[in-house]
Amino acid sequence: SQKIEQNSEALNIQEGKTATLTCNYTNYSPAYLQWYRQDPGRGPVFLLLIRENEKEKRKERLKVTFDTTLKQSLFHITASQPADSATYLCALDKGTGGFKTIFGAGTRLFVKA
Amino acid sequence: GAGVSQTPSNKVTEKGKYVELRCDPISGHTALYWYRQSLGQGPEFLIYFQGTGAADDSGLPNDRFFAVRPEGSVSTLKIQRTERGDSAVYLCASSPFQGHEQYFGPGTRLTVT
Repeated sequence: SQKIEQNSEALNIQEGKTATLTCNYTNYSPAYLQWYRQDPGRGPVFLLLIRENEKEKRKERLKVTFDTTLKQSLFHITASQPADSATYLCALDKGTGGFKTIFGAGTRLFVKA
Repeated sequence: GAGVSQTPSNKVTEKGKYVELRCDPISGHTALYWYRQSLGQGPEFLIYFQGTGAADDSGLPNDRFFAVRPEGSVSTLKIQRTERGDSAVYLCASSPFQGHEQYFGPGTRLTVT
């Protein structure tokens, strides 16, 4: 069956450290993969999009990698801050001509001062 | 500029009633998505519009759910004969084109009593 999995347990890290979140998927061939941030009671906010022919993309303190062989994306936040505390969602397109966007359940990140 | 707006922000209805949820996308965005999100889960795809047409409605759970976008801008999600299991946050997102980042609204929290 098709699945997209993110760390179900919350990630607790100290301010200033690098947070690394994982997104694994099976039985999809996405053309691109996205990461979103969601705060309680709010809609997701787009962070980064990486396409299947890109290995890595960066934006300020954020970095995402995309390994289509391992079927995995890693999302890094460097020099983390308490304000980075939120739920981070991985999303991919269904591929093979579909328009559906599939989201993972998200990983909660807590950054302690 | 204005982001995606959704009305109402909260809707409480009785089992068996009909509800309409409205989404105003960002002006000029041709792609529009509806999702629903339950507590602790990622957004679940319902339907995707490209312009006025529903290009992918494979996520609609059953024929009680229907969505329209008659002029290619505002969209309405319609739920007939609501059931308690329909209770969730319904999110709308728009995008300049399919395959680009999505901009989410704040959601409508639907509670069916």
